[in-house]
Amino acid sequence: AQKVTQAQTEISVVEKEDVTLDCVYETRDTTYYLFWYKQPPSGELVFLIRRNSFDEQNEISGRYSWNFQKSTSSFNFTITASQVVDSAVYFCALSVLSSGSARQLTFGSGTQLTVLP
Amino acid sequence: DAGVTQSPTHLIKTRGQQVTLRCSPISGHKSVSWYQQVLGQGPQFIFQYYEKEERGRGNFPDRFSARQFPNYSSELNVNALLLGDSALYLCASKDRDPSNYEQYFGPGTRLTVT
Repeated sequence: AQKVTQAQTEISVVEKEDVTLDCVYETRDTTYYLFWYKQPPSGELVFLIRRNSFDEQNEISGRYSWNFQKSTSSFNFTITASQVVDSAVYFCALSVLSSGSARQLTFGSGTQLTVLP
Repeated sequence: DAGVTQSPTHLIKTRGQQVTLRCSPISGHKSVSWYQQVLGQGPQFIFQYYEKEERGRGNFPDRFSARQFPNYSSELNVNALLLGDSALYLCASKDRDPSNYEQYFGPGTRLTVT
């Protein structure tokens, strides 16, 4: 069975601060994908990034960066110079090859990020 | 191009009633998945349909059922509603490329059971 843990329930920062959202996953599969989604108050999940289990290269996209470490089963997400518009719930999710064509996502419980002006 | 659409946006039902939620995938997408998101939790997988066939089912009771139509739209049905079924129901679509794991989510239907 798969499991995703986001230990930080809520984080509050002041605008322009950097913030890191933690994600720890559990799976026995050797082939899997990790995702981050953003959920603003409107409710729609917005895709941010996907990484596969064979690519541990960190990625940067503008103010966003992701640190994937298989040794610690972690896939952390950092927002640099946070902005008020970054306020949302962020979900980490896992999909394994053995789920077959369903490609179902296993989500963590989410981290509510509030960026104060 | 239009994204994933869901209807209705909000719904209030009474315990014991039945409800049908609808989803239209992105044009060209043949796979539709349904997720339940209870307040304060992450979404949980309910069903996935591809080419009108069920390809995956999560750990939900038989009161939950779904189907996919020839135009790839989908309906999620929940019978004998319980208070615990109150949640945001999300639909996601995916293209047919098996190497693509990315799913695109709709805005959801918020169901309240009283």
